[in-house]
Amino acid sequence: GDSVTQMEGPVTLSEEAFLTINCTYTATGYPSLFWYVQYPGEGLQLLLKATKADDKGSNKGFEATYRKETTSFHLEKGSVQVSDSAVYFCALSDPTNAGKSTFGDGTTLTVKP
Amino acid sequence: NAGVTQTPKFQVLKTGQSMTLQCAQDMNHEYMSWYRQDPGMGLRLIHYSVGAGITDQGEVPNGYNVSRSTTEDFPLRLLSAAPSQTSVYFCASSSRGIYTEAFFGQGTRLTVV
Repeated sequence: GDSVTQMEGPVTLSEEAFLTINCTYTATGYPSLFWYVQYPGEGLQLLLKATKADDKGSNKGFEATYRKETTSFHLEKGSVQVSDSAVYFCALSDPTNAGKSTFGDGTTLTVKP
Repeated sequence: NAGVTQTPKFQVLKTGQSMTLQCAQDMNHEYMSWYRQDPGMGLRLIHYSVGAGITDQGEVPNGYNVSRSTTEDFPLRLLSAAPSQTSVYFCASSSRGIYTEAFFGQGTRLTVV
């Protein structure tokens, strides 16, 4: 079945540091890939997505590239801010599976001033 | 644009009580799901539905029932609450197709004493 593995946290960075959160996936079909963000006390919301190989999703300074050859979708940001402190979830959606989403376990990011 | 609406936001139950967590979406999405989120355990799928009249179990279905009589609503019933069901519950919806990002409600924080 489908699965998503993301790097374990928590991750603590200083403001303006470079961020990478690793994510790899296993899927039987050709999935779409997503990063969701969850701020304290809120539900998950979409951060960025990519729907085919070599696509790059980007939003709010975050980027991730769909790498089919390495089955990866690593999240990066060049300069993090305190406001980026949140839990980040990597996920896939397999169109052959009626839209069902599979999530990683989440990575908690704390950015210190 | 309401999206996914969950009620209540907070609930305290006594062991053995029953209750229903409500979830409604106004995006005409076919796929709806319930997750629970516990510290350090990511999101765990409880039940899901691919359309009105169709439901199926996720990875942690015991102690919960669902029904899907309309496209819009997907209530989650706790039959006899137990302290192990203390958690934050999220409802999500998505459409079929390639770009099947999930839309989440704000969550229900349930405490069973």
